[in-house]
Amino acid sequence: GAVVSQHPSWVICKSGTSVKIECRSLDFQATTMFWYRQFPKQSLMLMATSNEGSKATYEQGVEKDKFLINHASLTLSTLTVTSAHPEDSSFYICSARDGGAFYEQYFGPGTRLTVT
Amino acid sequence: DAKTTQPTSMDCAEGRAANLPCNHSTISGNEYVYWYRQIHSQGPQYIIHGLKNNETNEMASLIITEDRKSSTLILPHATLRDTAVYYCIVRVAGWQTSGSRLTFGEGTQLTVNP
Repeated sequence: GAVVSQHPSWVICKSGTSVKIECRSLDFQATTMFWYRQFPKQSLMLMATSNEGSKATYEQGVEKDKFLINHASLTLSTLTVTSAHPEDSSFYICSARDGGAFYEQYFGPGTRLTVT
Repeated sequence: DAKTTQPTSMDCAEGRAANLPCNHSTISGNEYVYWYRQIHSQGPQYIIHGLKNNETNEMASLIITEDRKSSTLILPHATLRDTAVYYCIVRVAGWQTSGSRLTFGEGTQLTVNP
């Protein structure tokens, strides 16, 4: 149980275009989802926290107009990187918190974004 | 959440026990010790967590000192597939506060050698 999926697993896009990454909790309802970003040889950095049906809360320094997060249902959250630039190339990882008894946090496999 | 300190890297021979230390001297009474690992280019994987008693599951054992200021993750028989970055995280348990979330430090790069 407690599986989180991400799609796509990797994506290449041209500079200036937008790309959407999906995060799904497959066997539980996720009241809260988190988005992390990881640059090479660095640790995971939390970008934003989203609760189902409400606006996401962004960490300091993360541009909310550039990284659009939608958490429309208890099993799906999306991250859209708008007007992507090469410096947005990174490994994006979502995480979902189980809304059941223990509120534990489970991670997706990550999405590798390369902006050319 | 309390801060943790881990060695940057460790090596271990395949088949031997890997003991990964973590210092968390400012841990609060209601904070748990969590361990995750991240194999290269994958999402983090939950390993184990504990409050004050030693814990064991199919993946590892967690030994927490009596004063709770440090802990050790033990992989009893390390394999090459255990090569990963291991993160020790101290936080309030998820069910104790809806606002709790996991924040990652630099972790320990464990390399298991043949």
